[in-house]
This record gives sequence, C-alpha cells and structure tokens, in this order.
Amino acid sequence: NAGVTQTPKFRILKIGQSMTLQCAQDMNHNYMYWYRQDPGMGLKLIYYSVGAGITDKGEVPNGYNVSRSTTEDFPLRLELAAPSQTSVYFCASSYDSGGAKTQYFGPGTRLLVL
Amino acid sequence: RKEVEQDPGPFNVPEGATVAFNCTYSNSASQSFFWYRQDCRKEPKLLMSVYSSGNEDGRFTAQLNRASQYISLLIRDSKLSDSATYLCVVNVRGSARQLTFGSGTQLTVLP
Repeated sequence: NAGVTQTPKFRILKIGQSMTLQCAQDMNHNYMYWYRQDPGMGLKLIYYSVGAGITDKGEVPNGYNVSRSTTEDFPLRLELAAPSQTSVYFCASSYDSGGAKTQYFGPGTRLLVL
Repeated sequence: RKEVEQDPGPFNVPEGATVAFNCTYSNSASQSFFWYRQDCRKEPKLLMSVYSSGNEDGRFTAQLNRASQYISLLIRDSKLSDSATYLCVVNVRGSARQLTFGSGTQLTVLP
C-alpha cells in the first residue's frame, strides 16, 4: 500500500512552459485535493475532487487545471508557468466517512519557475 | 479575519519542557478538528483528532472549546524529535472542500 504518490519530486520550469504534476492514491479514496504551500505559509487549496469525473475550484485555482478520470489519479496541469507559481505542491486524499475527514498527503513536488 | 489562526512562533523550548499551542477558528459551523504535524520539507501528517471532551495521546493533549471557538495542543516532556511545525485544522460541516489549515506554529526543542 503506497498511499499517496507524487511525481516529480522537483522540477525547474522556465516562464511560459507547461507541465503536469502527477498524483495517485491506492487507498480507494473518493476525495482528492491539490494544495500549494509557499515558504512560511499554510496550505492553500487549489482544486479538489469528490469522485471520478467531478472537480471543483479551491481558494487559488487561477493558472491551474485538473482532471479526474479515475478514482486513483488526480493530475494538476500548469499551462503557462509564472514565477508566482514557485511553491511546494501537495496532493492529498481522504475517505468520505461522513465524519472526520482525515487527509493523507503525498511527499510533495517542489516547483521553481525562473 | 483568517478562518483558522495560530501563533506562528517560533517556540524554542528546552528538552523536557511543557509547551502549549493555541488556535482559534472563525466559522461556528466547524465540525471536526485536528492537529497535523509537518517536519521541515516534508508533508503534513495527522498528529491527532480533537474531541469535544478533550483527548490525550501519550505526551500530547488536545482540548476544544466550542463556545470560544478555540483549540489547544499541550506537549509534555518535550523531546528533540518533537521539533516541527504544528498545524491546526478544521472541517466545516457540509463543506465539500473538507479541511481548512492554519499557517502553523513552529516548535524547536533544544538540547
């Protein structure tokens, strides 16, 4: 049971380039999330999904896109990278227990946009 | 006003000390409460849930005061390995967005 996995671990992009951050979970969780964390700051929700085929915006969705074609995978797409997108990106998942919604996080992707 | 507010610290304490962190939340519809721990350059991990009656897990005690919309975490007999950032997290009833995270309180336990 690998939990939540993310690739790549680290990436440098030039301004205007695009990339996809991969996230996968093997816990059969319905809910998946993408967060970004800037230095010394808390986590900000970018996008989330409550199940395959369903996605919705979080606090800071501009400049990003997501898709959820399967329960396991939730990729995050950056179309035109900007320096403001330099951050650490965490993917998370949770089981819809109807009660406490504990989230399990992947190890993160560090992105530097120059 | 932030939805979840924490004292950012840093808290620098000697080994063996007792340290307490506080957190306030603004949404009275908040339903579930957690403390997460985040080590430097690592992902957040659940430390403990917080229950209305208060709960303890070894050296860690969490308290919830719904009337004051206040959560606390007490760490007794601090260890070097407790050095981390502690995130206060709430879940708002009926919110599909799930969890709202505070910015975290940084703790350094000194030898």
